[in-house]
Amino acid sequence: DTAVSQTPKYLVTQMGNDKSIKCEQNLGHDTMYWYKQDSKKFLKIMFSYNNKELIINETVPNRFSPKSPDKAHLNLHINSLELGDSAVYFCASSQNFELEESTDTQYFGPGTRLTVL
Amino acid sequence: AQKVTQAQTEISVVEKEDVTLDCVYETRDTTYYLFWYKQPPSGELVFLIRRNSFDEQNEISGRYSWNFQKSTSSFNFTITASQVVDSAVYFCALSEPGGSYIPTFGRGTSLIVHP
Repeated sequence: DTAVSQTPKYLVTQMGNDKSIKCEQNLGHDTMYWYKQDSKKFLKIMFSYNNKELIINETVPNRFSPKSPDKAHLNLHINSLELGDSAVYFCASSQNFELEESTDTQYFGPGTRLTVL
Repeated sequence: AQKVTQAQTEISVVEKEDVTLDCVYETRDTTYYLFWYKQPPSGELVFLIRRNSFDEQNEISGRYSWNFQKSTSSFNFTITASQVVDSAVYFCALSEPGGSYIPTFGRGTSLIVHP
């Protein structure tokens, strides 16, 4: 069973379009995340949701809106796509937001490669 | 401001060699966490280890070992007897104050292991 899944795996779209990326985890984790990896492989956190509540938004443009219908899902909707949005987007989950449990770990989805033309 | 430096952009070794990936961090906080992630050529991200700032004990997991030294603000990663499957980009990261999975990432080190 896939622990963290993302759809689609590849997304090619035109500038100005609106698109969504879906993420689901079947681990029963409380916290989910979105990361962006740009063309130079630089990784950056975008959002984190803990029990369906937004914990942090790292100055991401408001064209990006995370939506968490339940604890197992964290979708990423992007409005008015721009060329600079082209990147790989990773979803991840962990049991806890605070790293108190020494056995806690983080699981990543396979990534969604977004190409904006 | 927090910063993570992985000075080695790319390392190339021959199989069975030992290799150490360096990670130097900057933070003013006394409580923080350090991480290592692996990204193989297939592109997925794999969480490898987390270490908190109060635990300087070295960690060993099979051929992987981590050396955390607060005195030099380093959290280096060593692969013993490297294998071709170890070829990947390895990222070191530092958590925000308070300890959470909100990391500042280094730029990554690309490790190439030749047969």
